Amino acid sequence: DGGITQSPKYLFRKEGQNVTLSCEQNLNHDAMYWYRQDPGQGLRLIYYSQIVNDFQKGDIAEGYSVSREKKESFPLTVTSAQKNPTAFYLCASSIDLGSGRRIGYTFGSGTRLTVV
Amino acid sequence: LAKTTQPISMDSYEGQEVNITCSHNNIATNDYITWYQQFPSQGPRFIIQGYKTKVTNEVASLFIPADRKSSTLSLPRVSLSDTAVYYCLVGDVGRALTFGSGTRLQVQP
Repeated sequence: DGGITQSPKYLFRKEGQNVTLSCEQNLNHDAMYWYRQDPGQGLRLIYYSQIVNDFQKGDIAEGYSVSREKKESFPLTVTSAQKNPTAFYLCASSIDLGSGRRIGYTFGSGTRLTVV
Repeated sequence: LAKTTQPISMDSYEGQEVNITCSHNNIATNDYITWYQQFPSQGPRFIIQGYKTKVTNEVASLFIPADRKSSTLSLPRVSLSDTAVYYCLVGDVGRALTFGSGTRLQVQP
């Protein structure tokens, strides 16, 4: 089945440590996105990429970095510069159906990151 | 980017129809309206998408008036499993969608 795979499901990070969250999709979608969700809150956009080797900052990019070397993969690195990284991280992808319409996002199951 | 406004929460009972309205006064000509459902500790799930008038699928209907400044998600005969957060998003090709806080729907037996 096609879909988006995020790993790991749970991740613990020590203070001052960088960690990388994996996101892989086999949907042949062009665009990929990273969102952060805090308890009881909506999703906030961290980074997004519409094509390989290109990405744009979202609303809360500080302390995060991404790469898009392959269409299928969009890993997110949470750096030590992110002072409050404990959150639920969601990866999504979408495809342009043409005629100016996107099909909508497909989300992964998320990674819950906790700073210990 | 079009900003959306939804009720923070709604309560309903099993078997009732639930209508959740979203305001998006500054929607752009090319923007589509999309609704998502999210359960705790899961990624949001696509429910329905529309541009104008009415769209219906197997789980919901979406009503969009002619001025497109609002939209209403209609869930027929809700069940306990429909308890979730529902997000209204407005956007188009080439722009990432912005999620608000959504509407928390609680369905009671």
